[in-house]
Amino acid sequence: AQKVTQAQTEISVVEKEDVTLDCVYETRDTTYYLFWYKQPPSGELVFLIRRNSFDEQNEISGRYSWNFQKSTSSFNFTITASQVVDSAVYFCALSGDSNYQLIWGAGTKLIIKP
Amino acid sequence: EAGVAQSPRYKIIEKRQSVAFWCNPISGHATLYWYQQILGQGPKLLIQFQNNGVVDDSQLPKDRFSAERLKGVDSTLKIQPAKLEDSAVYLCASSRTVGDEQFFGPGTRLTVL
Repeated sequence: AQKVTQAQTEISVVEKEDVTLDCVYETRDTTYYLFWYKQPPSGELVFLIRRNSFDEQNEISGRYSWNFQKSTSSFNFTITASQVVDSAVYFCALSGDSNYQLIWGAGTKLIIKP
Repeated sequence: EAGVAQSPRYKIIEKRQSVAFWCNPISGHATLYWYQQILGQGPKLLIQFQNNGVVDDSQLPKDRFSAERLKGVDSTLKIQPAKLEDSAVYLCASSRTVGDEQFFGPGTRLTVL
């Protein structure tokens, strides 16, 4: 069975601090995809990244970076120099080539205090 | 490129009434999804279309929920009759094809009184 675990229910940091959101997944599929989405208070889910199981290179996009480690089945997300606008719920999700349905984690609520 | 459009944004109804939601996906996206998101939880897939065919509706409560995508573009989701537990945000998403990243609309917040 496929499963995504986001153990951190809520994280609160002060602006400009770095913060890492954890994501651990389980799958038996050989080919699978990992995603991160952001859901700000407005409610719309915003796509951040999609990574396939054959690409373990870390990704950096501005202040955002992602660390994919197959050995630990983790796909962690780091925000560097956090800003108040980063406050949102962040979801990690997984889909595999067995059915491609997105399996969602429970989400981590990130609060950035000014 | 225009994003996924949904309407209405908000809807308040009494239990046992009917309600319908509309979604227009990103142009060229073959796959369309309807999700239900209850406050504090991740989205739950209700139904997935590939063009105008249903790919997965295993979690759709078919006694009260129905959805269609007749011409392979727009889609409507209907609830008839609504129950209190249907209060949630209904999200529509689309992707170029199955397995690609999904792009979401703003959602419809439904309150059933």
